[in-house]
Amino acid sequence: ETVMTQSPATLSLSPGERGILSCRASQSIDSKLAWYQQKPGQAPRLLIHGASVRAPGVPVGFTGSGSGTEFTLTITTLQSDDFAVYYCQQYSDWPLTFGGGTRVE
Amino acid sequence: EVQLLDSGGRLVQPGGSLRLSCSASGFLFKNYAMAWVRQAPGKGLEWVSGISVSGDKTYYADSLKGRFTISRDNSKNTLFLEMSSLRVEDTALYYCAKASNSIYFHFDKWGQGTPVTVSS
Repeated sequence: ETVMTQSPATLSLSPGERGILSCRASQSIDSKLAWYQQKPGQAPRLLIHGASVRAPGVPVGFTGSGSGTEFTLTITTLQSDDFAVYYCQQYSDWPLTFGGGTRVE
Repeated sequence: EVQLLDSGGRLVQPGGSLRLSCSASGFLFKNYAMAWVRQAPGKGLEWVSGISVSGDKTYYADSLKGRFTISRDNSKNTLFLEMSSLRVEDTALYYCAKASNSIYFHFDKWGQGTPVTVSS
C-alpha cells in the first residue's frame, strides 16, 4: 500500500499570504496525484489531478507541482474562501490512498 | 447538471448489514468508473471501494476483508455498496464519487454523503 503523508497538519495563515502544502508518497506514483478541498459540512471538491492539472473552474491561484514521491499544492494568495482542509490522493495503484489532510486556518 | 444522490445510510447494530445506493444523473453513467469513500466523524477521507465502467473489475480497501461488495446497474444509473458484518469502526459518512474518466480514479464529483452509524 502506498502511504500518503501530508505536512503540516495545520497551517495558520492570514488572507493575502501564500500557502504551501506538502504531500509525500511512500513510493513513486509518477504524476498520479490529486488534491481536494473540503469545507465543513461539504463533500470534497477536486482541485488538481495529474499532479498539476487544475480541474475546471478552479482558480489559477491553486498550483500543483511535483512527481515521483514529492508533491506540493501552492495557494498563491489566500482568500477567505480558501480556508479549509486539503487532501492529497494517489491513484497510481491499489488500494487508492488519501493523505491525512492539511487544515488551513 | 451532474448529480449523485447517496442514500441507504442508517443506524445498524454491530454484525448487521446495509445496502447503500447512489443514483446518478446528468452524465453518461456507463462511461465512468465509480467509487465509495468514507469519512469517520472528525477524521479524514478513506477510500473504500472502486468499480470499473462495466462492473467487471472491483477494488477494495485491505481493511474491509471481504465484508463489502460494490456493484453497479448501468441500466438504472445506480451504484451500490453492500455492507455486511458491520463494526463500530465502520461508522462514517459514506460518499459516492464519480471518477473523472473511465481509467483514472480521481474524483470530480461527489454525492452529499449518507451516514452510517454502527452501534448497539
